[in-house]
Amino acid sequence: EADIYQTPRYLVIGTGKKITLECSQTMGHDKMYWYQQDPGMELHLIHYSYGVNSTEKGDLSSESTVSRIRTEHFPLTLESARPSHTSQYLCASSGPPGYNEQFFGPGTRLTVL
Amino acid sequence: RKEVEQDPGPFNVPEGATVAFNCTYSNSASQSFFWYRQDCRKEPKLLMSVYSSGNEDGRFTAQLNRASQYISLLIRDSKLSDSATYLCVVNEGGTSYGKLTFGQGTILTVHP
Repeated sequence: EADIYQTPRYLVIGTGKKITLECSQTMGHDKMYWYQQDPGMELHLIHYSYGVNSTEKGDLSSESTVSRIRTEHFPLTLESARPSHTSQYLCASSGPPGYNEQFFGPGTRLTVL
Repeated sequence: RKEVEQDPGPFNVPEGATVAFNCTYSNSASQSFFWYRQDCRKEPKLLMSVYSSGNEDGRFTAQLNRASQYISLLIRDSKLSDSATYLCVVNEGGTSYGKLTFGQGTILTVHP
């Protein structure tokens, strides 16, 4: 089992609130990723990081932001939540060069009312 | 054209059946390939890596054809517990180092 954790698992919040989704991994992986997935749909990469102080936007435009101050921690923040942000957010990490398998956390299911 | 394309199914098969999924990818420079499994409302989990000419792991066999740019997954002696969505995943390497591209998934339902 991969040691990657996400909190909260479920979040229901009102429009306009600021939220932070937490993601932590204990595997010492340099690379970390955030994906967004709607029910029955494909995963879309929204942010990634190749190490501390490295963050990049993914293939799908997102109003969220991320930070990577510590290797093990990659939080995602929405400054002002909207109903269009309702989705599942999945965090993943991967290890040394040459090992591109990604391991996923359990996800955060976000509902914005 | 999508970078990674899969037949979305659904595939409905009886227990014990053999089922095969195919996947095509568009970037000939792609370097590594994977099959992931995703259960309903859960996170994707790595099923198999496909690095060279193919992999076998118990009832599961993955094949890679670089010339035709397709990957396949064969499941023998299907079990009820194999019901899930199977995701074909490609790493393009180069400047996309570490990033994976996911197919839309193939839904498998195994029935008694």
